[in-house]
Amino acid sequence: GNSVTQMEGPVTLSEEAFLTINCTYTATGYPSLFWYVQYPGEGLQLLLKATKADDKGSNKGFEATYRKETTSFHLEKGSVQVSDSAVYFCALKRQNNNDMRFGAGTRLTVKP
Amino acid sequence: DTEVTQTPKHLVMGMTNKKSLKCEQHMGHRAMYWYKQKAKKPPELMFVYSYEKLSINESVPSRFSPECPNSSLLNLHLHALQPEDSALYLCASSVTGGATDTQYFGPGTRLTVL
Repeated sequence: GNSVTQMEGPVTLSEEAFLTINCTYTATGYPSLFWYVQYPGEGLQLLLKATKADDKGSNKGFEATYRKETTSFHLEKGSVQVSDSAVYFCALKRQNNNDMRFGAGTRLTVKP
Repeated sequence: DTEVTQTPKHLVMGMTNKKSLKCEQHMGHRAMYWYKQKAKKPPELMFVYSYEKLSINESVPSRFSPECPNSSLLNLHLHALQPEDSALYLCASSVTGGATDTQYFGPGTRLTVL
């Protein structure tokens, strides 16, 4: 079946540290891949997405590259801020399918 | 306008009550979704409407009843819920539901069943 596996959290970093959150997927065909962020008490916001192999999604200093050979979509940011503290969800959507599958989520806490 | 609105923000109900959650979007999207999110868990898909027709029903108990009166509105009718149904209920919409579509989420309704 289609599934997403994220690195387990929680992740705690100091401000300006480098962030990587690993995400790997299992899917048939060519899914689209997404990173969503959820701040405390809020709904999910799209952070970035990539719809085909080798695409790089980027937004607000975050980046992720769709790697078909390793079935991965790792999230990176060069210098995190306290305001980046949130839960990050990796997700995939298969072609011709309305169903979005989310990973378990990774809680990030950034300390000043 | 990339906003999905949900009302109410919070809802407390007893097991014998009937209530409804409401979701609205004015982006012209033709696919709308209901998700359930328990604490510290990812969202779980409940229902998908595509062009106002129910296209996915993920084996959700009949005490949850979705309704899509028009392309901008999505309701979730609740009846005889159980305490384990307490969760954050998220609505989302996307252009057509295609694989590359971004789903835009509302802020959610936090439901507590007593």
